[in-house]
Amino acid sequence: LAKTTQPISMDSYEGQEVNITCSHNNIATNDYITWYQQFPSQGPRFIIQGYKTKVTNEVASLFIPADRKSSTLSLPRVSLSDTAVYYCLVGGGNYGGSQGNLIFGKGTKLSVKP
Amino acid sequence: DTAVSQTPKYLVTQMGNDKSIKCEQNLGHDTMYWYKQDSKKFLKIMFSYNNKELIINETVPNRFSPKSPDKAHLNLHINSLELGDSAVYFCASSQKMAGSHNEQFFGPGTRLTVL
Repeated sequence: LAKTTQPISMDSYEGQEVNITCSHNNIATNDYITWYQQFPSQGPRFIIQGYKTKVTNEVASLFIPADRKSSTLSLPRVSLSDTAVYYCLVGGGNYGGSQGNLIFGKGTKLSVKP
Repeated sequence: DTAVSQTPKYLVTQMGNDKSIKCEQNLGHDTMYWYKQDSKKFLKIMFSYNNKELIINETVPNRFSPKSPDKAHLNLHINSLELGDSAVYFCASSQKMAGSHNEQFFGPGTRLTVL
């Protein structure tokens, strides 16, 4: 099972770049890496997804090294509204119902201060 | 227009009761999921249905029974509720099984409190 490990919490200040790393040593060949953001009392919301190397969208960048055993979510110039819990999800590459197909990390609580 | 909706938003009930949570998605997705988020914020998948067929069934007590009457609905029925069932339950959907370009869209959650 592709278990994931993330830091429990991180602090930052407005305007800084924040990098959150997720370890997934047992990632399967077909697994994708997806990051979600969750605000209090809301469901998680998709941020970015990748398989290898680097992916960038209007919100964030995702860096995945060649061995794919970890990934780093990069949030450029965070603001107060980026304060949330960020989850790393590994899976989806093995269709067909094996248990633990979709495993969320325990989440990283990011606190952005003024 | 809500993409993934759940009812009720809050559910307070006594131990031993049977309750249901409903989920509907209007995105035309093939796959729907149920997740449980406990007080420590761990988000754990419970079930996944693809085109009304059960795909993922994590180690969940058989008191929990998902029902998918059609592709747009995945309801969760819980029998003989226990204190440990108190949590926030999230429904989600994706176009296909979550993977490449198949992000999951989550509902607002149902906070279940068992007294």
